[in-house]
Amino acid sequence: EAQVTQNPRYLITVTGKKLTVTCSQNMNHEYMSWYRQDPGLGLRQIYYSMNVEVTDKGDVPEGYKVSRKEKRNFPLILESPSPNQTSLYFCASRRREQGYGYTFGSGTRLTVV
Amino acid sequence: AQSVTQLDSQVPVFEEAPVELRCNYSSSVSVYLFWYVQYPNQGLQLLLKYLSGSTLVKGINGFEAEFNKSQTSFHLRKPSVHISDTAEYFCAVSDGPGRGSTLGRLYFGRGTQLTVWP
Repeated sequence: EAQVTQNPRYLITVTGKKLTVTCSQNMNHEYMSWYRQDPGLGLRQIYYSMNVEVTDKGDVPEGYKVSRKEKRNFPLILESPSPNQTSLYFCASRRREQGYGYTFGSGTRLTVV
Repeated sequence: AQSVTQLDSQVPVFEEAPVELRCNYSSSVSVYLFWYVQYPNQGLQLLLKYLSGSTLVKGINGFEAEFNKSQTSFHLRKPSVHISDTAEYFCAVSDGPGRGSTLGRLYFGRGTQLTVWP
């Protein structure tokens, strides 16, 4: 089944403890992206990647890192999480050709206390 | 950067009534337009998209949307809603052909919660 898989689905952590949210897609998509969803704000793009080793900032990149060493994986790294990073996170991927919509994962609900 | 405005944060309707969810975007140059639906505790699912051609686009679950370039709008409609349509709906915009510097960007509105009552 074609899908974007994120892990974990739920995570509670403490301020300052480094964490990684994994994302993997099995559709051979070139583009991958991370979004955060907050009530009343919709989805905001954190980082995106157009191919292996090619990444760029979205609207809210502060406090996050990403890497794209393999085409299928695009992990999101929080080096020192803070409570304002408590959010619902979505990974997404799409084909390179313009006009294709992103396929989204099921989400990771992160709570930083 | 694009901006997307969904004019209603909440839309309550009764079952079998028609519904329109409104979306306006900022740029009048070439764009691609999308509507996504998010059911409770799930990810986003693509409902429909406009790339070019006919301004009336049909999607899944009986939804359709109309692209209006002069008004920079892409409103979503359904002639008769069901309780199962209760969900949050997001309008999204990406830059169209030739705007290579922002190829990976997809801009979302803040969402419209559609609640269908029996």
